[in-house]
Amino acid sequence: GAVVSQHPSRVICKSGTSVKIECRSLDFQATTMFWYRQFPKQSLMLMATSNEGSKATYEQGVEKDKFLINHASLTLSTLTVTSAHPEDSSFYICSSLTSGDARETQYFGPGTRLLVL
Amino acid sequence: QKEVEQDPGPLSVPEGAIVSLNCTYSNSAFQYFMWYRQYSRKGPELLMYTYSSGNKEDGRFTAQVDKSSKYISLFIRDSQPSDSATYLCAMSSILTGGGNKLTFGTGTQLKVEL
Repeated sequence: GAVVSQHPSRVICKSGTSVKIECRSLDFQATTMFWYRQFPKQSLMLMATSNEGSKATYEQGVEKDKFLINHASLTLSTLTVTSAHPEDSSFYICSSLTSGDARETQYFGPGTRLLVL
Repeated sequence: QKEVEQDPGPLSVPEGAIVSLNCTYSNSAFQYFMWYRQYSRKGPELLMYTYSSGNKEDGRFTAQVDKSSKYISLFIRDSQPSDSATYLCAMSSILTGGGNKLTFGTGTQLKVEL
């Protein structure tokens, strides 16, 4: 399968600071990437769809000014959690969409665990 | 009612057992069905991908889709302790413009014991 990396894997920050998470598609170009959030023992919740060269599409209830997404190249999307608060502590996972073999499949990164103190 | 229902478990089985994991769904528009495996503190890993109804086999894994019943299954034969993980079903419908959104089940936690 395709390889997607995320950096950092884990981050601890103080309340009120901003945190940037990178998602890289290592072996294919991804015009579309997705950002998910996962709370303990819960499923993945889609936050936004990131399209290269255009504005991200946010899901209902997700604040676009708080979760800034930039997809500046075909292999890199970034999620910035601005003015983070303890309730933003979660596991953030990105995925890249590939259209190989006449189907669309999402491959996921290893996730970034964010803890806001 | 959630669009996708999945028993969270945990499901404990002895090594070598056949494991059956299931999801039901309500949206008849779903066409693509996937199973992901997620180890603790890791991202999901794609295991099986099925389009429409039918069976698909890959090694010890078999995926079944019954669209008439809105029911999908993943079978694991000769289960191993390394299969211990959370298994997430996911599905999507055809969207114009591409970029299929996935709708996930909550995941079933599986423990394969020695």
